[in-house]
Amino acid sequence: KAGVTQTPRYLIKTRGQQVTLSCSPISGHRSVSWYQQTPGQGLQFLFEYFSETQRNKGNFPGRFSGRQFSNSRSEMNVSTLELGDSALYLCASSLEGQVTTEAFFGQGTRLTVV
Amino acid sequence: AQSVAQPEDQVNVAEGNPLTVKCTYSVSGNPYLFWYVQYPNRGLQFLLKYITGDNLVKGSYGFEAEFNKSQTSFHLKKPSALVSDSALYFCAVRDLANTGNQFYFGTGTSLTVIP
Repeated sequence: KAGVTQTPRYLIKTRGQQVTLSCSPISGHRSVSWYQQTPGQGLQFLFEYFSETQRNKGNFPGRFSGRQFSNSRSEMNVSTLELGDSALYLCASSLEGQVTTEAFFGQGTRLTVV
Repeated sequence: AQSVAQPEDQVNVAEGNPLTVKCTYSVSGNPYLFWYVQYPNRGLQFLLKYITGDNLVKGSYGFEAEFNKSQTSFHLKKPSALVSDSALYFCAVRDLANTGNQFYFGTGTSLTVIP
C-alpha cells in the first residue's frame, strides 16, 4: 500500500508570491490534516479536511487555505508569502480522523521563502 | 486546554543501554497519547499509542511506553538502544473533550545513541 505522497518535496519562493502544496493520502483514507513544522514553533496544526469539507482549523491567518477533492487528495495554498512561512509542511492522513487512531505522515514539503 | 511537555531537548545514551524519552501531558478529558519519530528530512513515523487498557504499550522497533495517570506521564522506553534509533522523537496527545481532533505535539526530544 502506497504511503502519503507530498509534492513537491522542495520549493523556493519569493516574498509576496503564492504557493500550492499537494498531498495524496493513503488509499481509502478520507481525513487529511496539514501541519507546519518550524524550529521555533515546533509542529502546529493548520487544518483538517474530511470528505471535501474543512472539519477543523488551527490558529493561522487567512493567507493559509486548503481544499480536498472527491478522491481525498488535498492541496494547501499560502498567499502573499512571508519570510516566516519558511517551514516543513507535513500532511497526515487517516481513515476517519478519529481521535483514537494514528495518522500517517508524508515526507513533507520544505518551503523556503526568500 | 491540551498540552504536551517534553522536558529534555536532547538525550544521549550509549548503544546497548536502556533509553527513556520523557513526556508529560495535560488534557481536560481522557487522553489519547501517541509517540512519533522523525528522521532527518523525513516525515513523522508512528511508533505506538495509548488509548485505554494496559498501561504498558508496545510498539514498533522494540519501543514501549508506560502510561501513568497519576503522574500524567507517557514516557517512551527501549531496553537496548541502537545507533539507528538516533532521531527526533515527538509525543502527542488528542482529547475527546477538545473541539477538534488535531494532535497537540511536544517540542521534540533529539535522541543520540553513541556507538
